[in-house]
Amino acid sequence: TQLLEQSPQFLSIQEGENLTVYCNSSSVFSSLQWYRQEPGEGPVLLVTVVTGGEVKKLKRLTFQFGDARKDSSLHITAAQPGDTGLYLCAGESNSGYALNFGKGTSLLVTP
Amino acid sequence: SAVISQKPSRDICQRGTSLTIQCQVDSQVTMMFWYRQQPGQSLTLIATANQGSEATYESGFVIDKFPISRPNLTFSTLTVSNMSPEDSSIYLCSATTGEAFFGQGTRLTVV
Repeated sequence: TQLLEQSPQFLSIQEGENLTVYCNSSSVFSSLQWYRQEPGEGPVLLVTVVTGGEVKKLKRLTFQFGDARKDSSLHITAAQPGDTGLYLCAGESNSGYALNFGKGTSLLVTP
Repeated sequence: SAVISQKPSRDICQRGTSLTIQCQVDSQVTMMFWYRQQPGQSLTLIATANQGSEATYESGFVIDKFPISRPNLTFSTLTVSNMSPEDSSIYLCSATTGEAFFGQGTRLTVV
């Protein structure tokens, strides 16, 4: 099983602060995905990173894939209350197209 | 993209009974999956629902407890059989069309 370790598990910050969430593994992944999930909803894909060293930006969110394709990070600049949610990283599983998920980072941004 | 409708969205069930969760995709998809998630925590893959053959279960999940149907390329069901309070969780279906899409989940409480 290709395990994904996510940190921190919980994060509570004030509006305007910056934060970084980490996703690490001892295994190499062909790609990693980041999802955001709000209560009562399923996860929604934010980004897929494929190339080692790749950096992708989505408005105030910056995603990076490690050079060795074993880790990834999500950086949020000037967090807003709307960023509140559960952030999950995921990589392909040994079952094929199914995903292995990290344990998630629960983010709370207060006004 | 794919839109996934899952129902029921929530239910409260008596122990010893069974609940069938339905998942409808608005387009034909090859791969469908069922996950379980404790609130605020990560997703655990239950099984891959294969069209035309039996589902493939992950370690710790068995067909007698979680029978799955996949009668066509747009529909699947997951049954949680002989329920106990330990089965209380959120159950999510997912489909892959290059990227993964999720239903909104079924919040099950067993009393």
